[in-house]
Amino acid sequence: EIVLTQSPGTLSLSPGERATLSCRASQSISDNYLAWYQQKPGQAPRLLIYGASNRATGIPDRFSGSGSGTDFSLTISRLEPEDFALYYCQQYGSSPLFTFGPGTKVDIK
Amino acid sequence: EVQLLDSGGGLVQPGGSLRLSCAASGFAFNTYAMSWVRQAPRKGLEWVSAINARGDNTYYADSVKGRFTISRDNSKNTLYLQMNSLRADDTAVYYCAKDLRGSYSNWGQGTPVTVSS
Repeated sequence: EIVLTQSPGTLSLSPGERATLSCRASQSISDNYLAWYQQKPGQAPRLLIYGASNRATGIPDRFSGSGSGTDFSLTISRLEPEDFALYYCQQYGSSPLFTFGPGTKVDIK
Repeated sequence: EVQLLDSGGGLVQPGGSLRLSCAASGFAFNTYAMSWVRQAPRKGLEWVSAINARGDNTYYADSVKGRFTISRDNSKNTLYLQMNSLRADDTAVYYCAKDLRGSYSNWGQGTPVTVSS
């Protein structure tokens, strides 16, 4: 069974700073089927990145994804006030079929 | 515009049943796989079940296998989740989600399910 680990658990930064979030898989993720989501309180998740590095429709270019195999990252180049939220990574294809990481909270320092 | 409207949640006693629905619009529903994802209070996201576009292949998380059944009616653009033998740890907000190459491009607003006596 594949397990996703996200680090850090909480990232405290100021607006304008760069944020780098990590997602590590317990085994290699095939075809880079790795996605990133943003979730704000009381809202459904929003897809940011799919296929490890492809921005979803309407996502600003300050969000970027990279990585392959077992190590992936999400970078927010310059934090805007609306970017302070929870972020989840998710894999597809390995048993169980879909798995989410535990999340990283980006909060205001 | 893609819209997914979740409904059917509520309060149910342990051992009871509920059927969730997800009404889809704004895209060719019959060409996309769909899933249910849940989120327990103050917890992370958990994939529950998936179904392919035609509805002839279904997949379940071990935690719900044998108790939940996913289905779809492509003539009505609607996704369903039949939940039987509900337990307290099934308490969560349930979201339907549209598949995009193994990720979820669109989500419903969520419908809350509470299992309690």
